[in-house]
Amino acid sequence: GDSVTQMEGPVTLSEEAFLTINCTYTATGYPSLFWYVQYPGEGLQLLLKATKADDKGSNKGFEATYRKETTSFHLEKGSVQVSDSAVYFCALRIAGGTSYGKLTFGQGTILTVHP
Amino acid sequence: ETGVTQSPTHLIKTRGQQVTLRCSSQSGHNTVSWYQQALGQGPQFIFQYYREEENGRGNFPPRFSGLQFPNYSSELNVNALELDDSALYLCASSSRTTYNEQFFGPGTRLTVL
Repeated sequence: GDSVTQMEGPVTLSEEAFLTINCTYTATGYPSLFWYVQYPGEGLQLLLKATKADDKGSNKGFEATYRKETTSFHLEKGSVQVSDSAVYFCALRIAGGTSYGKLTFGQGTILTVHP
Repeated sequence: ETGVTQSPTHLIKTRGQQVTLRCSSQSGHNTVSWYQQALGQGPQFIFQYYREEENGRGNFPPRFSGLQFPNYSSELNVNALELDDSALYLCASSSRTTYNEQFFGPGTRLTVL
């Protein structure tokens, strides 16, 4: 079946540090890939997405590149801020089938940024 | 344009009881998906509704059921509650042409005692 694996967390960084959160996937079809962010006490917000190999998704200084050869979609940011502290989820969606909207999520990575 | 809303925000039930959670989809969206997020875990897909019919289901027992109404709002019903049903329940809305743009509600926190 389809699955997403994220790096073991939590991740603790100082402000302005470089961030990488690893994400790899296995998929039965051709997936679209996503990063969602969840702030304390809130639902999920779409951070960025990529729908085909070699696409780069970007938003708010975050980037991730769809690497089909390594089945990866690692999240990066050059300089994190305290306000980036949240839980980050990698996810995939397989087009077609009966559950068009089904997202398969990783277990989440807690990011804490200190001043 | 209103976003996805869910009610109630929090709920406490006892084992064996039944619960109904509600979700109002974003304007223009005709598809609603429900997810269960246990503490410290990623969301797990429960099922999806499109035009009032179930359109895909995850690995959840039949005591998890749902409805979608003509205005595309939705309900999640859970019968015979178990302790392991304690979780944050999220709904997400989208349209058939924008499945890569799903919008999540803030969730309902269910505690089963």
